[in-house]
Amino acid sequence: GENVEQHPSTLSVQEGDSAVIKCTYSDSASNYFPWYKQELGKGPQLIIDIRSNVGEKKDQRIAVTLNKTAKHFSLHITETQPEDSAVYFCAASNFGNEKLTFGTGTRLTIIP
Amino acid sequence: KAGVTQTPRYLIKTRGQQVTLSCSPISGHRSVSWYQQTPGQGLQFLFEYFSETQRNKGNFPGRFSGRQFSNSRSEMNVSTLELGDSALYLCASSYITGVKTQYFGPGTRLLVL
Repeated sequence: GENVEQHPSTLSVQEGDSAVIKCTYSDSASNYFPWYKQELGKGPQLIIDIRSNVGEKKDQRIAVTLNKTAKHFSLHITETQPEDSAVYFCAASNFGNEKLTFGTGTRLTIIP
Repeated sequence: KAGVTQTPRYLIKTRGQQVTLSCSPISGHRSVSWYQQTPGQGLQFLFEYFSETQRNKGNFPGRFSGRQFSNSRSEMNVSTLELGDSALYLCASSYITGVKTQYFGPGTRLLVL
């Protein structure tokens, strides 16, 4: 089955700096890669997703890049703000299968 | 549009009991998936329902079961609870199966004593 590895497990950045979280996946059939943000006491919130026919997607301060050959994808957050502090999860799934396989999460702390 | 709702939000049970958790998807969403979140194992897929049929199942014992009703609401049941079943149980809905853009509810936190 699919295996998703996520790094780093914790990340601290100064407010205003950029943060990068990286994930690798094992199943070449995977073609959908969402990123979720989870705040304390809440369920995961979808922040951006990318499909395998696209190499990069951007939404304001958030961007995701995908390298299908290397089987890795990354989340980039620019101009970080205190409200970006949370746990971020990457995930992967393949067409026709609703099952998401998640990475182990990255605890992002923005230092004011 | 209201998000995914889950009830109850918190639950305390003892070993050997059974529990039923409920999930109401976003209006118009017909696919419901369930996940278990624990500090040790992270987020793990339990099962997915679409049109009242289980379409996919994760690697959990048969004590974990679910169902979906004609209005797309879903329930999951855990029988003969074990201490290791203590977790946050998350429900996610999507418009139709295969689209994969899943939206999560706040979860039900289950504590087994």
